[in-house]
Amino acid sequence: QVQLVQSGAEVKKPGASVKVSCKASGYTFTGYYLHWVRQAPGQGLEWMGWINPKSGATHFAQKFQGRVTMTRDTSINTGYMELSRLRYDDTAVYYCARERDSDYGDSWGQGALVTVSS
Amino acid sequence: QSVLTQPPSVSGAPGQRVTISCTGSSSNIGAGYGAHWYQQLPGTAPKVLIFDNNIRPSGVPDRFSASKSGSSASLAITGLRAEDEAHYYCQSYDTRLSGWVFGGGTKLTVL
Repeated sequence: QVQLVQSGAEVKKPGASVKVSCKASGYTFTGYYLHWVRQAPGQGLEWMGWINPKSGATHFAQKFQGRVTMTRDTSINTGYMELSRLRYDDTAVYYCARERDSDYGDSWGQGALVTVSS
Repeated sequence: QSVLTQPPSVSGAPGQRVTISCTGSSSNIGAGYGAHWYQQLPGTAPKVLIFDNNIRPSGVPDRFSASKSGSSASLAITGLRAEDEAHYYCQSYDTRLSGWVFGGGTKLTVL
């Protein structure tokens, strides 16, 4: 079955970078876009961007442009999201999600909590 | 401030019917893009409940249904159960932002 397994929780200092991984299994990794969505504590869902695992092309929400990088390693069916120059308000659970044809996420990772604290 | 607008909370007694609205605009739902609904139980990842306006993935009970009209969408839950208590989010694609947009989420309380 389709599964997305993310890396574990991280604690980072303000100004640092964090890289979250998302390992896919149960489907052809290069056949589906991978999106990243975050959720601050007690808040709603916020879309960050996507990566096309086949070509490596990316597109980011304007809010994150210049701070976010999305990459993939097709040899191990894994996508990565790196956020730099972390601020306290970047504290959130970061999810990866597989996109289906109609622009929705049909499978989601379990989430990775990133805490920004001095 | 979310691009799609949902009520912050709704409630209902067991067995009752509740609806959750989702209002978009001409650049997302109103442009013909699908409205999708997710259920998020406490401490878990969102799970798709309805996609493409009104299609239930296999395994989702038929107590959950949805519709779309113009720039708005609506989720209905009948025969409320305690386990339906969760946050519900609508989502669509927005042409101006070239990406996914979400509603702010609605907390459903089963009284």
